Amino acid sequence: GEKVEQHESTLSVREGDSAVINCTYTDTASSYFPWYKQEAGKSLHFVIDIRSNVDRKQSQRLTVLLDKKAKRFSLHITATQPEDSAIYFCAASPYQGGRALIFGTGTTVSVSP
Amino acid sequence: ETAVFQTPNYHVTQVGNEVSFNCKQTLGHDTMYWYKQDSKKLLKIMFSYNNKQLIVNETVPRRFSPQSSDKAHLNLRIKSVEPEDSAVYLCASSPLQGSYEQYFGPGTRLTVL
Repeated sequence: GEKVEQHESTLSVREGDSAVINCTYTDTASSYFPWYKQEAGKSLHFVIDIRSNVDRKQSQRLTVLLDKKAKRFSLHITATQPEDSAIYFCAASPYQGGRALIFGTGTTVSVSP
Repeated sequence: ETAVFQTPNYHVTQVGNEVSFNCKQTLGHDTMYWYKQDSKKLLKIMFSYNNKQLIVNETVPRRFSPQSSDKAHLNLRIKSVEPEDSAVYLCASSPLQGSYEQYFGPGTRLTVL
C-alpha cells in the first residue's frame, strides 16, 4: 500500500522567512496530494492540495510543487507569520475523490518574531 | 465554523469496556471516515464509508466497527477496549465528486486505564 514519508519533523523559521516541507510517496497510482494544518489542541484544517494533472499550485502565500517522476511533493510557505506555527501534514490518496488519505508523520513549524 | 460534529469530546474508561463515539456532518457529503491519531500525532485511516461501500483498513482490529444510520452519521464502536486504543479519534467527511477536500471534526480523546 501507499506510504508517505515527511522529511522534516521540525522547522524553525524567523517571521518573514520562507519555509519548505518535503514529502515523498511510494504508490505511482496516487493522484491527489493535500496538505493539512493542525494548531495546538485543535483538529485538522485543510490548507491546499494538488492533483496529479498539474505540477504546481499556488494560493496566496502557499505553493505546492509536485514531481511525479521523483514521487515527491512539497509545500512552500512564503513571508511566514506567527499564525503559521502549527503541525503540517502531507497526505496522498491513490484514489479519486471520496477515498481515504495516507498521511505523513507531520512537521512542526515554529515561526518566531 | 464546525460542520462535522463529534461526541463526546473526551472519554475515560477501563480495559475491556465497550465504547461508542458519534459523528454527524451537516455538509451533505457522501463519504465519511474515521482516523486515529496517536500520542505521537501519527494519523492512520481506520474506515471510509459511503452509502454503498465500507472500506476497512486491514490493520484495524476486529473490536472496532463503524455504524451508520444514514449518510450524515458514522459512529464508531469499540467492543472491548485495550490500552493501545488510547488516542484521538477523528471523524471526517468529503463529497463523492468535485472537491476532494476532507472536513474534520474536533475529535474524541479516548483514555483507557
